[in-house]
Amino acid sequence: RKEVEQDPGPFNVPEGATVAFNCTYSNSASQSFFWYRQDCRKEPKLLMSVYSSGNEDGRFTAQLNRASQYISLLIRDSKLSDSATYLCVVNDIGTYKYIFGTGTRLKVLA
Amino acid sequence: DAGVIQSPRHEVTEMGQEVTLRCKPISGHNSLFWYRQTMMRGLELLIYFNNNVPIDDSGMPEDRFSAKMPNASFSTLKIQPSEPRDSAVYFCASSFIQGGTEAFFGQGTRLTVV
Repeated sequence: RKEVEQDPGPFNVPEGATVAFNCTYSNSASQSFFWYRQDCRKEPKLLMSVYSSGNEDGRFTAQLNRASQYISLLIRDSKLSDSATYLCVVNDIGTYKYIFGTGTRLKVLA
Repeated sequence: DAGVIQSPRHEVTEMGQEVTLRCKPISGHNSLFWYRQTMMRGLELLIYFNNNVPIDDSGMPEDRFSAKMPNASFSTLKIQPSEPRDSAVYFCASSFIQGGTEAFFGQGTRLTVV
C-alpha cells in the first residue's frame, strides 16, 4: 500500500462548481499535513496546511480525520485558474520526511 | 530571500555521462530534500539531509546516484553513469523542521538522457 494515496482524476468541472478531493495516508504517526498545488511544468507550491480542527482560506477548506486517516480539500466556486494538480502531503515529525501523493488533476471548464 | 535555487534548469546529456545537479536552499533552513518526478511515479523522495547530515537515502534508486551536502548552503545530486531511464524532473526542497512547517521547492532541473 502506498503511504499517501489520491485519486489521480482528472476531475473536469464547470466554472462555479464545488469540487472535493480526498487523500488517505497509512502512517498513523504522521503529524503534519498539507495540500500543495502544482501547475504544468512548475514546482509544487504550498496551497494550505491542514489543521486538526479544519481550516479555511477563502474558497478552499481543508479537513483532517485522524481516526480514518484521511485529508480532504474542498474548492468552492471553481475558477478557471484553479486548474492544476493538487498534491496531498504528509510529514512525520519523527523522520521529517515529506511524503507526496501522486496528485489529483483538476480541470475547470468555461 | 530568493527561494530555493537549482541549477541547471535543463540538462540534456548522453547515456553514460556524469550529471551533477545543484541546489542552494533557503538561508536558515536546516533540512534539504531531493525529489524526482515522472509521469508514471509522481514525486519520489530520493534523499534528505538534516543539518547537512544525510538522514535517509532509501529512495536513491541505485549506486549510480549520490548526494552530498558539504555545507548549509549547498547540495549536489550526482548521477554516474546516466541512463535514459533517469530522465525526469529533479526537485530540491528545503524547510525548517520545527513544528511541521512546509517545504519550499526550487524550480527543478529537467534532465533528459539520450
